Amino acid sequence: QSVLTQPPSVSGAPGQRVTISCTGSSSNIGAGYDVHWYQQLPGTAPKLLIYGNSNRPSGVPDRFSGSKSGTSASLAITGLQAEDEADYYCQSYDSSLPGRRVFGTGTKVTVL
Amino acid sequence: EVQLVESGGGLVKPGGSLRLSCAASGFTFSSYSMNWVRQAPGKGLEWVSSISSSSSYIYYADSVKGRFTISRDNAKNSLYLQMNSLRAEDTAVYYCARVGGLGELSPIDYWGQGTLVTVSS
Repeated sequence: QSVLTQPPSVSGAPGQRVTISCTGSSSNIGAGYDVHWYQQLPGTAPKLLIYGNSNRPSGVPDRFSGSKSGTSASLAITGLQAEDEADYYCQSYDSSLPGRRVFGTGTKVTVL
Repeated sequence: EVQLVESGGGLVKPGGSLRLSCAASGFTFSSYSMNWVRQAPGKGLEWVSSISSSSSYIYYADSVKGRFTISRDNAKNSLYLQMNSLRAEDTAVYYCARVGGLGELSPIDYWGQGTLVTVSS
C-alpha cells in the first residue's frame, strides 16, 4: 500500500556489504524530495539513521551510507555487524498525499 | 535530553474512543512540528497525522481522516491524539514523533517509546 517499495529482507555475513533499495515515483523521490532512513531494533522505537539522502546524524557509524538517484534511493551497510540486525525504513514525501510524509514498506536485515 | 513519553493506550471495543497523550521535555516544544506514527503488530510504519508548531497546519492520513483529531498544548508541552470510531485495523503501537527543526520536510529526529492501542471486542 505504501508508495515507497523496499525488499522485504536482505541478509549478509558479518563483515559483508548489503544494500537496501527504496523505489518511488515521480511524485515522491523523483520529484526531488529528500529521503531519510530509520533503523528499528527489535522491540524498540525507530531511530533516525540517515537524513537528507546521505547525511548521518551524530553518533551513527560511517558504516551506514545513503544515496539517491532518479526515483530511487539506497542504504548501504558496509562491514556488517551482528548489532545491525534490525528493520530499516526509508521515508520521503509525496505531493499527492495529505501531509506528504510517507514511509517505505520496510526491510529486515539478517546477519548470518 | 529530548524525551517524548506517550500514554493513554489500552484495550477498547470497536466503535469506541481513546485519547493518547505525549509529554515532551528537553526541548522548546512550541518550536517544533509533531507527528503521530503508528505500527500495526508485525507491520511497517504508517504516518498518521501531523501538526505544526502553532497548530496552524494539520494533516491526516486518509485512513484516519474524520475519525482522529490531533492537537497540542504548547503551555503544557503536550501532544494529543483523540481517536473516535475505532476499528480493528487501528490496532497498533502509536509513536509520538518530533519533526526536525528545518521545516515540515525535515526528518523525524526523535521518537517516543510508543503506546499500544488494541481495538477488539
